[in-house]
Amino acid sequence: DAGVIQSPRHEVTEMGQEVTLRCKPISGHDYLFWYRQTMMRGLELLIYFNNNVPIDDSGMPEDRFSAKMPNASFSTLKIQPSEPRDSAVYFCASNGRGPSLKYNEQFFGPGTRLTVL
Amino acid sequence: GENVEQHPSTLSVQEGDSAVIKCTYSDSASNYFPWYKQELGKGPQLIIDIRSNVGEKKDQRIAVTLNKTAKHFSLHITETQPEDSAVYFCAANQAGTALIFGKGTTLSVSS
Repeated sequence: DAGVIQSPRHEVTEMGQEVTLRCKPISGHDYLFWYRQTMMRGLELLIYFNNNVPIDDSGMPEDRFSAKMPNASFSTLKIQPSEPRDSAVYFCASNGRGPSLKYNEQFFGPGTRLTVL
Repeated sequence: GENVEQHPSTLSVQEGDSAVIKCTYSDSASNYFPWYKQELGKGPQLIIDIRSNVGEKKDQRIAVTLNKTAKHFSLHITETQPEDSAVYFCAANQAGTALIFGKGTTLSVSS
């Protein structure tokens, strides 16, 4: 398996523009998580899905942020309009039951480094 | 909800020394405690984890201990090497919920 795939790896945009980040989880995983990482706040959970349904979006900063998971193999995180304070690295992670039927590690993607000018 | 505190924020050791990173958590219902290592420009990667029915787990040079009564767990790295230099995160959760991460520890191992 290729692991969790995120695109783009880097995004530079201007304030006010719409930004869409994409994630393909590991096949067979039923949980998908979006995190944001900054020096000041560390790794923050934004939202997570189980079986494509959003379970907890309490970490989404404000209405400018939205996330969707139209199917088991794809999710998007959209920021509209973007602001300089949104600059961060955004990680997607997925999780599924292991051979013991327990949920084990979350596998992280390589992240998208977003810079909003 | 869960809150995870991690100390220290930075740790510098000499090659061959041991390194210890400590975390405390607040939710007694948490039962899964992983440790992640993040190298520059990469996503966090699991290095070891422990579940609440186990007090200690070891994998070569790394070990994790858990004290459920005190609600704290620790990462121990022995015989540190320069390639151990990275940011380490502890986390906690219950199955089926999101991991809550500590703020991270930047470990520097000098040769």
